[in-house]
Amino acid sequence: QQQVKQSPQSLIVQKGGISIINCAYENTAFDYFPWYQQFPGKGPALLIAIRPDVSEKKEGRFTISFNKSAKQFSLHIMDSQPGDSATYFCAASILGFGNEKLTFGTGTRLTIIP
Amino acid sequence: EAQVTQNPRYLITVTGKKLTVTCSQNMNHEYMSWYRQDPGLGLRQIYYSMNVEVTDKGDVPEGYKVSRKEKRNFPLILESPSPNQTSLYFCASNSGLPSDNEQFFGPGTRLTVL
Repeated sequence: QQQVKQSPQSLIVQKGGISIINCAYENTAFDYFPWYQQFPGKGPALLIAIRPDVSEKKEGRFTISFNKSAKQFSLHIMDSQPGDSATYFCAASILGFGNEKLTFGTGTRLTIIP
Repeated sequence: EAQVTQNPRYLITVTGKKLTVTCSQNMNHEYMSWYRQDPGLGLRQIYYSMNVEVTDKGDVPEGYKVSRKEKRNFPLILESPSPNQTSLYFCASNSGLPSDNEQFFGPGTRLTVL
């Protein structure tokens, strides 16, 4: 069962444009929603994360928007740059549950073209 | 440098030949996990460990074993590998603090089972 659904599978955006990746979750017990960025040949690395008590979190060009009632969250990359080309994974977990397991989405391959 | 290391990075083997993928972290983290990454499926947790000698199954544990005899090491063992275990494997660690679930991933091990 896919508890975190991510779309689109791939995305091509022009340099300077806005990249938007969406995720939806099912388990209302999730209380931590990170985004991970993965470059080819590397492991995923935390990009930005949000707790459900806020609707938006911004770090530089990266913003998470969170809609608790719709059980959806999204990553916005403003002024997208070629260096942002990577695979992005949304994830969700329950903090303090013991396992600290991340439930990942299926990933979005983002390509920024000049 | 704080890091998670894995070895080997690439491995080609044959069905039934036992293998071990090593994982080590130098951040004194309590929690360690193994994930496998497959196209269209994202990352799925195989096993996790909350401390030395404490391990438990994740979402896809069949065909795998782990051990945690030292805090820094968490090897993944495939007693009798099969072709459906061909995948990209990541070890991860995190502090286990209730307010922080940033997971630090190793560089990955690409395994092919013929």
